Amino acid sequence: GNSVTQMEGPVTLSEEAFLTINCTYTATGYPSLFWYVQYPGEGLQLLLKATKADDKGSNKGFEATYRKETTSFHLEKGSVQVSDSAVYFCALASGSARQLTFGSGTQLTVLP
Amino acid sequence: DAGITQSPRHKVTETGTPVTLRCHQTENHRYMYWYRQDPGHGLRLIHYSYGVKDTDKGEVSDGYSVSRSKTEDFLLTLESATSSQTSVYFCAISESVSLAGSNEQFFGPGTRLTVL
Repeated sequence: GNSVTQMEGPVTLSEEAFLTINCTYTATGYPSLFWYVQYPGEGLQLLLKATKADDKGSNKGFEATYRKETTSFHLEKGSVQVSDSAVYFCALASGSARQLTFGSGTQLTVLP
Repeated sequence: DAGITQSPRHKVTETGTPVTLRCHQTENHRYMYWYRQDPGHGLRLIHYSYGVKDTDKGEVSDGYSVSRSKTEDFLLTLESATSSQTSVYFCAISESVSLAGSNEQFFGPGTRLTVL
C-alpha cells in the first residue's frame, strides 16, 4: 500500500537558519505530492504541490522537488522565520478519488 | 478560503453514545473526505464521498459510518462511541480528481471529540 515517511521532530531552529524536512514515499502508479502546514489550533493549509517527476513546488520561500528516482519530496527553506513555526505534513494523493496519505507530521519551532 | 464549516467544533461525550459530526461546504465540490488526526499518525482517512449517496471506506473506517444526501453536507456518525475514537476530526473537499491534476484538498477547521 501507499505510505509516507517523514523526518521525526520536533525540529528547533534559530531565525534565518536553513530548513530541511525529509519526506520519502511508497506508492503505486503516479501520485501527486504535497506539503501541508498546520498552525496551532487550525486546520491544514496547502503549502505547495508537485504532480509529476522533477516538478518543483514552491510557495512563501519553501521549495520541494518531486524526485521519482529516490522517491522523495524534501521540504526546504533558506531562511526560516518565527512565523514559520507550525506542523508540516508531507502527503501523496492516489487512488480513484485521489485520497491523501499523510506522513506523521514534523513540528517546527523557530526561535527569535 | 474555501467555504467549509464543521459542527460541532468541540464535543465531549460518553462511551456508548452515538455521535454525528457535520461537514458543510459552499463550494459545490464533488469530493468530500473525513480524516482523523492523532499524535504520531498524521491524518488518516476514515471515509470519503465521490458524489451524492456515493461513499467508500478509507484506511480506518471501523466504527464509523457516513452519509451524503446533498452535495453540500457530509455526515460522520459514530454509532457507539469508544475512547479510542477520541481525536480531532477534519473534513476536506476537492473539486475534481485526475492523474494529471493537482487534486488539491481544502480542509475544514476540525472538530475535537473527547469520548470519556
